[in-house]
Amino acid sequence: NAGVTQTPKFRVLKTGQSMTLLCAQDMNHEYMYWYRQDPGMGLRLIHYSVGEGTTAKGEVPDGYNVSRLKKQNFLLGLESAAPSQTSVYFCASSYEAGGLNTGELFFGEGSRLTVL
Amino acid sequence: LAKTTQPISMDSYEGQEVNITCSHNNIATNDYITWYQQFPSQGPRFIIQGYKTKVTNEVASLFIPADRKSSTLSLPRVSLSDTAVYYCLVGNMNRDDKIIFGKGTRLHILP
Repeated sequence: NAGVTQTPKFRVLKTGQSMTLLCAQDMNHEYMYWYRQDPGMGLRLIHYSVGEGTTAKGEVPDGYNVSRLKKQNFLLGLESAAPSQTSVYFCASSYEAGGLNTGELFFGEGSRLTVL
Repeated sequence: LAKTTQPISMDSYEGQEVNITCSHNNIATNDYITWYQQFPSQGPRFIIQGYKTKVTNEVASLFIPADRKSSTLSLPRVSLSDTAVYYCLVGNMNRDDKIIFGKGTRLHILP
């Protein structure tokens, strides 16, 4: 049981390049999230999804796009990378119980992105 | 979303009980309190969740007073491996609600 898997784990980009981070979960969870974490800081929510085909903006959505075409996958895209997007990105998922979000997040190992 | 306030950092010694308090003065009636633990270079891990009074599991206890304006995470007999950042989150369980992390409390366990 892999849980939440993020690919790639490391990536170096040049300013202006684009890339996609893939998050895959095998727990049949309804909800998925993308966070970023900068050194010495807490996690900030970028985008999230409450189900297949739905996405919503978090705290810091600018410069990022997401898609949830399949329930198990949540993609985070950077169309034109900027040095300010250098960070560690974490994907998480959570499950539903009784029509409500349990709020119990399961996190991936993180993807370290450097933009030069 | 209820705002939370936690100490930035704490130090303790191996074998002691550690209590980390989180203030959430504007907690709403339907809000739950959830704590996460994060080790360096890892994603956070769910520790415990509660609504009122006391909740205990194999890892920690969560104490919530009657007014629910604060909560205390209690870690019994800590070891060096409990050195981590601990996050307190407050929010309801609605489908469309964002799950927001604060800056957390950096706990350092000394030998």
